[in-house]
Amino acid sequence: SQQGEEDPQALSIQEGENATMNCSYKTSINNLQWYRQNSGRGLVHLILIRSNEREKHSGRLRVTLDTSKKSSSLLITASRAADTASYFCYASGGSYIPTFGRGTSLIVHP
Amino acid sequence: DTAVSQTPKYLVTQMGNDKSIKCEQNLGHDTMYWYKQDSKKFLKIMFSYNNKELIINETVPNRFSPKSPDKAHLNLHINSLELGDSAVYFCASSQGRASEQFFGPGTRLTVL
Repeated sequence: SQQGEEDPQALSIQEGENATMNCSYKTSINNLQWYRQNSGRGLVHLILIRSNEREKHSGRLRVTLDTSKKSSSLLITASRAADTASYFCYASGGSYIPTFGRGTSLIVHP
Repeated sequence: DTAVSQTPKYLVTQMGNDKSIKCEQNLGHDTMYWYKQDSKKFLKIMFSYNNKELIINETVPNRFSPKSPDKAHLNLHINSLELGDSAVYFCASSQGRASEQFFGPGTRLTVL
């Protein structure tokens, strides 16, 4: 299976700061998706970026994709306490069965 | 209206028992999934089911078997439960394998 690997595993910041997390994958993809998981809940889709796109925005979220490095980053600007959650990437496409990794655990202190 | 629902939400059972978890989606999606999330938060795919094509993660023990009576349902049956099966199991659905997935609330399974 193709697992997206998130980095760092844990991130702790103050409200108002920006949070950046990264994802690396192994093979060619059709798209890469980011999801959020609040404690004890199912994952919620945040944003999808296609393999021919380099950057995408959605509200306070900015996602970049570098297919040559097989990596993506998720930037959350002006973070809020409510952004506290785990964030997962999902690399879809290629010959592997895609799956999720361990995620980045983000804590935003008020 | 719940898009993806799972029952039960909590399941506590003894080793060796057989149990089932049910999943239903009302989104009209053609693809459904089962994931296992362990205590270290790894979210591992177990099965995906697309228009009657079942794709199995080869690391899943054959004690686990998915059953799909129709496109809207994908149930998970587990035989001879073991302590290591304790985890949270998530069902999800999507329209096509490359699209956004919608997740259920999860079923927390505890094997004693």
